[in-house]
Amino acid sequence: DAGITQSPRHKVTETGTPVTLRCHQTENHRYMYWYRQDPGHGLRLIHYSYGVKDTDKGEVSDGYSVSRSKTEDFLLTLESATSSQTSVYFCAIQGAFGAEAFFGQGTRLTVV
Amino acid sequence: DAKTTQPPSMDCAEGRAANLPCNHSTISGNEYVYWYRQIHSQGPQYIIHGLKNNETNEMASLIITEDRKSSTLILPHATLRDTAVYYCIVRETGANNLFFGTGTRLTVIP
Repeated sequence: DAGITQSPRHKVTETGTPVTLRCHQTENHRYMYWYRQDPGHGLRLIHYSYGVKDTDKGEVSDGYSVSRSKTEDFLLTLESATSSQTSVYFCAIQGAFGAEAFFGQGTRLTVV
Repeated sequence: DAKTTQPPSMDCAEGRAANLPCNHSTISGNEYVYWYRQIHSQGPQYIIHGLKNNETNEMASLIITEDRKSSTLILPHATLRDTAVYYCIVRETGANNLFFGTGTRLTVIP
């Protein structure tokens, strides 16, 4: 399996609190992605990164920010969590465009 | 990226071939067809991809029609562990997103 680790795996937080999810890779892959998965929607791209300090928005980026200060870490931050952000979050890494993407095991976030 | 259409669910007997269809009638010439699957609540797993030629690897075969408007993923001898949601995705090699639809839920029956 590709070396990709998400933390935490589960989190319950209160509305209005900040939350940071971490994606760590040991593959030295250039591209990293954050997706969310909700029933009936499949996976939707939140943000992605194509290198250190190079990030861009995906299709559902509102309410989220990201940072990538090192190749191996891609952080997803919910500045002020809302109940609509309750979801399962997946991180993915990719070595090159066109190559297969490898996904982490997911983080289940519940905002109460 | 072109969109895909897949049946919402399929059943397959254990040990038989599972043939999962995908329609991508608006695919453009530089878009590849990718297949991923998601077992239960795990992260999606890459299976195979192709442009216009048929492809085979240790997991599956991908058959793409000559006009490239549809494709079929074949699991030659389905096992219970192949029960999963299978996603067909079309994507340019330079695109930054894998657009996941709702996929096909394959159930392998003993």
